[in-house]
Amino acid sequence: DGGITQSPKYLFRKEGQNVTLSCEQNLNHDAMYWYRQDPGQGLRLIYYSQIVNDFQKGDIAEGYSVSREKKESFPLTVTSAQKNPTAFYLCATRQGGNQPQHFGDGTRLSIL
Amino acid sequence: GENVEQHPSTLSVQEGDSAVIKCTYSDSASNYFPWYKQELGKGPQLIIDIRSNVGEKKDQRIAVTLNKTAKHFSLHITETQPEDSAVYFCAANQAGTALIFGKGTTLSVSS
Repeated sequence: DGGITQSPKYLFRKEGQNVTLSCEQNLNHDAMYWYRQDPGQGLRLIYYSQIVNDFQKGDIAEGYSVSREKKESFPLTVTSAQKNPTAFYLCATRQGGNQPQHFGDGTRLSIL
Repeated sequence: GENVEQHPSTLSVQEGDSAVIKCTYSDSASNYFPWYKQELGKGPQLIIDIRSNVGEKKDQRIAVTLNKTAKHFSLHITETQPEDSAVYFCAANQAGTALIFGKGTTLSVSS
C-alpha cells in the first residue's frame, strides 16, 4: 500500500540472533499492527498498537517484541526465543475504530 | 475472542463463471467485515468491506452479503477473469479491536 513501507523485503537470521523488521507509515494513522503469515495459516496477529507508547500482545506474541516511540514507526524484533521464525511478516495501519486497514508489502524472514 | 472460519480453502473456476467464498464468525459483537485480495509476494489489498448495519454491498463485479443472525458473510465475484486469481481473506472485528482473519481461499480462474 502506498504510505506503508516495510524493510527489508528479505531478511536472513542466524541461530541465536535477534533481528528487527521495520515498518514506517506516512498516513498519519493511529493504529499499527504486525501479522505473521504461514502457508495455510492465514494472518495471525503478533502485536498491535493503538496509540504512541502503548501496545498489546496478539495471539502469537511469544518470541517477539515491539516498540511504538513515534506515531510513524512500529518496529518488530524477532528474538532468539522465537524458535520457528521463518514466515512472511506483514505490517498494517488503520486510522482507528472500524476504518479500513491497509497493509505494507511484507518482509520475508528466513533462517540461515 | 473472535474466530473466523473461511471456506473453501481452494476454488477453481472457468473464466466467466461466478465464484463464492464464505466466512463465519463467532463474536456477535463484531460489526465490520472486510475482504482482502493478496497476490504472490505482496501485502493484502482491501477489495470491499461491509458494516453490520448493511446486508449487502456491491462494487462492479464484486459483492458482499452479510447475515448477522447466522453470523456469516460471503464474497461473490461475477464474470471472473484470470487476473482475479489470488488468495482472498475475510476478516471481522468490532471497534477498538484488531481484525481477525480467516485462513484464506486460493482462487484459480482458468481461461
